[in-house]
Amino acid sequence: SQQGEEDPQALSIQEGENATMNCSYKTSINNLQWYRQNSGRGLVHLILIRSNEREKHSGRLRVTLDTSKKSSSLLITASRAADTASYFCATDRQGAQKLVFGQGTRLTINP
Amino acid sequence: GAGVSQSPSNKVTEKGKDVELRCDPISGHTALYWYRQRLGQGLEFLIYFQGNSAPDKSGLPSDRFSAERTGESVSTLTIQRTQQEDSAVYLCASRRQGPETQYFGPGTRLLVL
Repeated sequence: SQQGEEDPQALSIQEGENATMNCSYKTSINNLQWYRQNSGRGLVHLILIRSNEREKHSGRLRVTLDTSKKSSSLLITASRAADTASYFCATDRQGAQKLVFGQGTRLTINP
Repeated sequence: GAGVSQSPSNKVTEKGKDVELRCDPISGHTALYWYRQRLGQGLEFLIYFQGNSAPDKSGLPSDRFSAERTGESVSTLTIQRTQQEDSAVYLCASRRQGPETQYFGPGTRLLVL
């Protein structure tokens, strides 16, 4: 079963608003990554946060990690129509070499 | 530089036929992964290759699925006697040794009729 679980499953907002997606996981991790997928094809890496980090920024993206709650959030500020996509969190568990992906959040930005 | 490529982009086959999917990783990437993604779902890990080590096959759903990789180059995923439930997008990703980021190919969309 997938370790990461995103919520909400779907999110629809107006262009210019901020979008927040959450991810929960179950076991200890080395790092947590967020990926974007357009049109059901290849995933694009967005940002990686390590287990000893609490917050990270990249452009309009802000990721937080709370290892005590085993959760992470991805915030996209000033959303654009081009941000419409599915967003997945993936955890890199300690001792493992493979990522475990969640089910994803489908984000729709309405112009 | 060139990214991860996969072929074919789309494959339609009849139930019971064998299919072979190909992945060309980024040059120099020692790790290669195969995932399956059913419609509207997340990614299911299938198999992982790291250099010349024995592959991690723990995600293969049945013995109809197999994969090969020669050295640090091309990989092929073979599905024998395809079933309708095999219909999905099959994604390949590669990674350099060390950094954790995976680089994904565009996927092969498989439809089994």
